[in-house]
Amino acid sequence: QKEVEQNSGPLSVPEGAIASLNCTYSDRGSQSFFWYRQYSGKSPELIMSIYSNGDKEDGRFTAQLNKASQYVSLLIRDSQPSDSATYLCAVNPLYAGNNRKLIWGLGTSLAVNP
Amino acid sequence: DVKVTQSSRYLVKRTGEKVFLECVQDMDHENMFWYRQDPGLGLRLIYFSYDVKMKEKGDIPEGYSVSREKKERFSLILESASTNQTSMYLCASSLNPRAEGYTFGSGTRLTVV
Repeated sequence: QKEVEQNSGPLSVPEGAIASLNCTYSDRGSQSFFWYRQYSGKSPELIMSIYSNGDKEDGRFTAQLNKASQYVSLLIRDSQPSDSATYLCAVNPLYAGNNRKLIWGLGTSLAVNP
Repeated sequence: DVKVTQSSRYLVKRTGEKVFLECVQDMDHENMFWYRQDPGLGLRLIYFSYDVKMKEKGDIPEGYSVSREKKERFSLILESASTNQTSMYLCASSLNPRAEGYTFGSGTRLTVV
């Protein structure tokens, strides 16, 4: 079982719709969770972080965390063509002594169609 | 904002050459990382460093070495470049990965011919 799993997509949504991106993780003791956006040919950039169960909102982005189900999601409201990118989920697991490593999913490709 | 600078955006090297990839960060971060990213394989950790002269192997260290002589600079060395090392190389740094995640440089697209 992969440690962090994402649906590779592509996920295709019309402009103005809500895009929902999902991520599951295997380490139940994981402490922190991150969503990165990566445009084609560019490096990943951090867009959201979440540490506690529930929702965290930042503009059009909402991160949702459910530790009992080991599930984290990213909602993008009013999707724009400029949101078309690959979204990477990263998790900081609770290995003994680890507070440095992030474990990465392979990413979900999102296409927002005008 | 933290700036992580990778010295080259594109590099073309010949098989067998020794290749140096440089990364500099300007925010006094202890932790620095080297990844490679390939289609379908995602981000794979090569090496990381948590202090000057300290390093730890990541998941795919074979064929690579690193150097951290100063806190702000973390170098990746390909001892004898091979075609299977053609990839996008990404450097990242962080003060507190658990709290902040990583900040990435712009990447170096290395082609070994």
